[in-house]
Amino acid sequence: GNSVTQMEGPVTLSEEAFLTINCTYTATGYPSLFWYVQYPGEGLQLLLKATKADDKGSNKGFEATYRKETTSFHLEKGSVQVSDSAVYFCALSAPSGGSYIPTFGRGTSLIVHP
Amino acid sequence: NAGVTQTPKFRVLKTGQSMTLLCAQDMNHEYMYWYRQDPGMGLRLIHYSVGEGTTAKGEVPDGYNVSRLKKQNFLLGLESAAPSQTSVYFCASSYLGIGYTFGSGTRLTVV
Repeated sequence: GNSVTQMEGPVTLSEEAFLTINCTYTATGYPSLFWYVQYPGEGLQLLLKATKADDKGSNKGFEATYRKETTSFHLEKGSVQVSDSAVYFCALSAPSGGSYIPTFGRGTSLIVHP
Repeated sequence: NAGVTQTPKFRVLKTGQSMTLLCAQDMNHEYMYWYRQDPGMGLRLIHYSVGEGTTAKGEVPDGYNVSRLKKQNFLLGLESAAPSQTSVYFCASSYLGIGYTFGSGTRLTVV
């Protein structure tokens, strides 16, 4: 079956530091890959996505590249801000038996200190 | 604003009581999902629907029932609430798995 593994947190950084959150996946076929962000007390929001190999998704300074050869979709940001503190979820979506059931990682908490 | 709306946002139930959580989407999405989120457990799929009149079990369906009588609505029912069902519940919808839009959640406490 499909699975997503992301690094455990919390990840604690100082403002303006470089961020990497690792995500690897296992899937049959050619999944679409996503990063979602969840701020305290809110639902998940789509941060970025990539639908085929070598695609780069980007939004709000965050980037992730769909690497089929390493089955990875690592999230990066060059300079984090306190407002980036949240929980980040890596996810994939692939058709299975005619349905689309997303698979989510367990989430990585990011804490950014001033 | 277009999106997914969940009601209620908060609820406290006594053990054995029943309730229904409502999810409504106005994006004409075929797929709808119910998840629960617990500390350290990530998101776990309870039930899902691939279209009006259809439902299917997810990873943790026991103790829950669902109905999708109208395309825009997906209801999650708890017939006899238990403390183990204390959680935050999220509804999501999707158009063919291209992306998933989440509601803001329902925080349920069963005492």
